[in-house]
Amino acid sequence: AQSVTQLGSHVSVSEGALVLLRCNYSSSVPPYLFWYVQYPNQGLQLLLKYTSAATLVKGINGFEAEFKKSETSFHLTKPSAHMSDAAEYFCAVSDPVYNQGGKLIFGQGTELSVKP
Amino acid sequence: DAEITQSPRHKITETGRQVTLACHQTWNHNNMFWYRQDLGHGLRLIHYSYGVQDTNKGEVSDGYSVSRSNTEDLPLTLESAASSQTSVYFCASRTSRNTGELFFGEGSRLTVL
Repeated sequence: AQSVTQLGSHVSVSEGALVLLRCNYSSSVPPYLFWYVQYPNQGLQLLLKYTSAATLVKGINGFEAEFKKSETSFHLTKPSAHMSDAAEYFCAVSDPVYNQGGKLIFGQGTELSVKP
Repeated sequence: DAEITQSPRHKITETGRQVTLACHQTWNHNNMFWYRQDLGHGLRLIHYSYGVQDTNKGEVSDGYSVSRSNTEDLPLTLESAASSQTSVYFCASRTSRNTGELFFGEGSRLTVL
């Protein structure tokens, strides 16, 4: 069965610093992986996704993530944090068993704080 | 523009009452999902549907039910609300492709007293 582990429930960085949010997955088959962002009192929106094309995936707002099969990781990075990046971030893996737009399995989330 | 809407956005109810949360999407997606979000647990899947008349249990389905009579709607019913069901509930929909994006509603905050 698929699962996702996000290391660190809270991450705090200074404005302008590197953002690194960690995600490791468990999957018996090649996964599809997603990062979502949730701003306060809103639903989740897609940041980026890996669907077995390029291993380095670029998303919105300057974020990117690299799929590393050997490490079963899909860490999210941004070179320079902005105050507006403060939010909760979720990593998710798509259950491929149904192969028909099946359910996403989410990690527990990482809250990112950005200090001025 | 296509969208997914949830109602009510906020609800306070009493233990033992039946509550229904509505979810309506205009994406024409076959696949719809209900998640609950709680501190320390991320998003947990309650029920999901891959099309009309299809419903499936997720990891935390006890005390909840859904029905799918058309493509656009997947209402979530709490048969007898319990305090443990106080949470924020999110509805989402997706195309029938495993690479497709999951589109979320803005959430329904339910408090059970």
